[in-house]
Amino acid sequence: AQRVTQPEKLLSVFKGAPVELKCNYSYSGSPELFWYVQYSRQRLQLLLRHISRESIKGFTADLNKGETSFHLKKPFAQEEDSAMYYCALSSGGTSYGKLTFGQGTILTVHP
Amino acid sequence: DTAVSQTPKYLVTQMGNDKSIKCEQNLGHDTMYWYKQDSKKFLKIMFSYNNKELIINETVPNRFSPKSPDKAHLNLHINSLELGDSAVYFCASSQWQGSYEQYFGPGTRLTVT
Repeated sequence: AQRVTQPEKLLSVFKGAPVELKCNYSYSGSPELFWYVQYSRQRLQLLLRHISRESIKGFTADLNKGETSFHLKKPFAQEEDSAMYYCALSSGGTSYGKLTFGQGTILTVHP
Repeated sequence: DTAVSQTPKYLVTQMGNDKSIKCEQNLGHDTMYWYKQDSKKFLKIMFSYNNKELIINETVPNRFSPKSPDKAHLNLHINSLELGDSAVYFCASSQWQGSYEQYFGPGTRLTVT
């Protein structure tokens, strides 16, 4: 069975500091990994996916199959990055299209 | 022009009651989902429908019954509500079953007293 772990429930940084939100996964197949974000009073929305290898709002995430990790990074945090971040894994087989979410990390960026 | 809408936004009810939450999407998507977010913010899938057909059914009590009258709607009916059902329930949709970008509704906060 697939599992996603976000070890930090809360993460606080100051504006301009680097930020890394950790995500580890457990899955026997070839995973598809995603980061979803929920800003205050907004809906949960897709931030980025590993297959696109793109940078969104300055965030990047690299899939490390050896360490089974998909950490989200940004070199210089901004106050508007404060939000709840969820790491998610998509599996195939009979659960094709199913997303398994981690527990979420609340990021607070202080001025 | 809300993409995924849910009603009601808040629902307070007593144990033992039966209640429904409605979800509608106007994106023309084929697949819809119900998620439960517990008090610790843990988000877990409950059900998924593709073109009105149930495709994912996680380990959810039989008291929960989803219904999809058409592919734009996925309602959730809960019988004999229990205290542990208190949570935020999110509806979501995606273009098709294998499309991993899911569009979420605003959530329905259910409180069972």
